[in-house]
Amino acid sequence: QVQLQESGPGLVKPSETLSLTCSVSGGSLNNYYWSWIRQPPGKGLEWIGYVYSSGSIGHSPSLKSRVAISLDTSKNQFTLNLSSVTTSDTALYFCARRGGFCTSSGCSGNWFFDLWGRGTLVTVSS
Amino acid sequence: EIVLTQSPGTLSLSPGEKATLSCRASQSVSSNFLAWYQQKLGQAPTLLIYDTSTRATGIPDRFSGSGSGTDFTLTISRLEPEDFAVYYCQQYESSVTFGGGTTVEI
Repeated sequence: QVQLQESGPGLVKPSETLSLTCSVSGGSLNNYYWSWIRQPPGKGLEWIGYVYSSGSIGHSPSLKSRVAISLDTSKNQFTLNLSSVTTSDTALYFCARRGGFCTSSGCSGNWFFDLWGRGTLVTVSS
Repeated sequence: EIVLTQSPGTLSLSPGEKATLSCRASQSVSSNFLAWYQQKLGQAPTLLIYDTSTRATGIPDRFSGSGSGTDFTLTISRLEPEDFAVYYCQQYESSVTFGGGTTVEI
């Protein structure tokens, strides 16, 4: 059974870079798209971006200039770096898997999220 | 960006009753690329419905999705105690955006 687990500092200072890691257990990163999604306290969900197992990436237009997502297939992990954070970046950060998998013929499923981590709370404060 | 507006904000019902949740899009989701999630307090969201009306693996058939264009609905035919939670819609027609959520409370 594939499971996702987020990890990283719970407190980040304003203007610094938020760095989180998602560890994938019970399965491989290969042939799937992996995303980061966040939820400010008491609010709704916001998609941040994705990385594919080949290394290709995409981001939400609203966060694009501050987001870097990468993967380490040897560790079965992918990471999020969000630069120049402000208090507005305080949120519960989830990693998630896009529904469906990809082969040389294309990808099944679509951009819904069928597997999520439990989330990690990151607070931006001095 | 496609903005999703969910209504009502809160739905107060009793176990056994029917719940009808609405999700309205600011532009047409013409390919019916709309999903629904359930989130319980302190937990990650769980995928319920994708492609407007397809139930995800393991989701009971009391959950159903319908709609087209800009208006979509999640129906819970008979509420079980474990169904009291927050529900979000999400579109993947153009990038990815989520609605603001509907709380189903006892």
